[in-house]
Amino acid sequence: DTEVTQTPKHLVMGMTNKKSLKCEQHMGHRAMYWYKQKAKKPPELMFVYSYEKLSINESVPSRFSPECPNSSLLNLHLHALQPEDSALYLCASSLLGGRGLNEQFFGPGTRLTVL
Amino acid sequence: QKEVEQDPGPLSVPEGAIVSLNCTYSNSAFQYFMWYRQYSRKGPELLMYTYSSGNKEDGRFTAQVDKSSKYISLFIRDSQPSDSATYLCAMSVGAGGTSYGKLTFGQGTILTVHP
Repeated sequence: DTEVTQTPKHLVMGMTNKKSLKCEQHMGHRAMYWYKQKAKKPPELMFVYSYEKLSINESVPSRFSPECPNSSLLNLHLHALQPEDSALYLCASSLLGGRGLNEQFFGPGTRLTVL
Repeated sequence: QKEVEQDPGPLSVPEGAIVSLNCTYSNSAFQYFMWYRQYSRKGPELLMYTYSSGNKEDGRFTAQVDKSSKYISLFIRDSQPSDSATYLCAMSVGAGGTSYGKLTFGQGTILTVHP
C-alpha cells in the first residue's frame, strides 16, 4: 500500500464549528506532515510529527490543533476558523532519516471552505 | 528575496516539445533537490529526487543540479498532454537541526502541453 488517504475530500464549515480532518497511511512511515495550500501557491508546512511526537510547529494559530494517535493516523482539529483559512489541506508522510525525509508522499487533500 | 525562485509561467508548448523547467536558490545548505508534479485538485506527486550535484534520468524526465550556480532544472522530452500540470521544485538541507523534515518549495510552474 503506497497511498496516503485523507477524509473528507471537501468540507464546508462555519466560523463557530468544530471539525476534524483525517489522514491515514500504511507504508510504515514514522514522519507525518500537515500542509496548507492556497490557490496557485506552493504548499506551506504547518506541522511535522516524528514517531508520533510533534517536532515542528510553523507558528500555526491555535485554532488548528494536530493530533497523532498512532503511527498510521494523523488528525487536524479545527475550531473557530476564519474565512482566510479556506484552502487545500494536504497530509504527507515519509520515512525518517536521511533521504527518506525528503521523499514525502502526499495525500489528495481536503478542500476546506470556511463561511 | 525568496529562498527558492521559480518562474510561475504559465508555459504552453506543443505535444512532442522538450520542456525545460528551472529553479534558483540562495541557501547553500540545500543538499536534496526534488521535483513534484501536481495535477489540478490533487496532492503533489514526487517525480524526481537528486542528492547534491549531477544529473538523473528517469524515462522522459531528466533532473539536473548545479550547486555551484545554485540552479536546478527538470527536462521533459517528447512532452504529452498528460504532462499538463503544475511542477514544483523543492529542496531541503537534510536531517537534523531545526529544519528536520522541512521542504522549501518554489512557486510552481503551470505547464500546458497542447495536442
